[in-house]
Amino acid sequence: DQQVKQNSPSLSVQEGRISILNCDYTNSMFDYFLWYKKYPAEGPTFLISISSIKDKNEDGRFTVFLNKSAKHLSLHIVPSQPGDSAVYFCAANFGNEKLTFGTGTRLTIIP
Amino acid sequence: DAGVTQSPTHLIKTRGQQVTLRCSPISGHKSVSWYQQVLGQGPQFIFQYYEKEERGRGNFPDRFSARQFPNYSSELNVNALLLGDSALYLCASSYTLGAAITDTQYFGPGTRLTVL
Repeated sequence: DQQVKQNSPSLSVQEGRISILNCDYTNSMFDYFLWYKKYPAEGPTFLISISSIKDKNEDGRFTVFLNKSAKHLSLHIVPSQPGDSAVYFCAANFGNEKLTFGTGTRLTIIP
Repeated sequence: DAGVTQSPTHLIKTRGQQVTLRCSPISGHKSVSWYQQVLGQGPQFIFQYYEKEERGRGNFPDRFSARQFPNYSSELNVNALLLGDSALYLCASSYTLGAAITDTQYFGPGTRLTVL
């Protein structure tokens, strides 16, 4: 049972444009959501997070939006840069429980 | 400051063997979690330890075990290895339990285990 889903395995975006990565979840108990970025041969790197009491969190070029009624969150990267090319994982948890990850979206920024 | 470190980086074993993976958390972090990432999938939770006690266990067989030491480092043991155990094993540390704003889990580079 995949409780966190990233339905787009890959995404290509022109440098300088906006990248939008999407994530859907099914467990309404989740109250904290995170995005991790992963380069080959490295562990996931924390990028940005959002609590369920908010609908938006911004950090520089990265913004995460949460739509609780739709059980949907998205990560916006603007402007996209070549160094943003990586696999992006959406993750969620509630209380002190484990992180539940999506399957990832491979983002490729085209120069 | 050093991040989460894991050893070894790569490991090749044969079916039926046993393996021990090691993790040192970020200084000051008291919680360590282990995840298994199979190619093409997201990381799957295996164990969480906090203050040397097991606080969470994922849906993995009893062949998987772990422990946390007084210095908060941790070991993951896998017995009777199967081909399907081939994966990247990730360790993550956080200051306390959970993943609240101040307790984000930070990951190490992982140990790539290949079972032949």
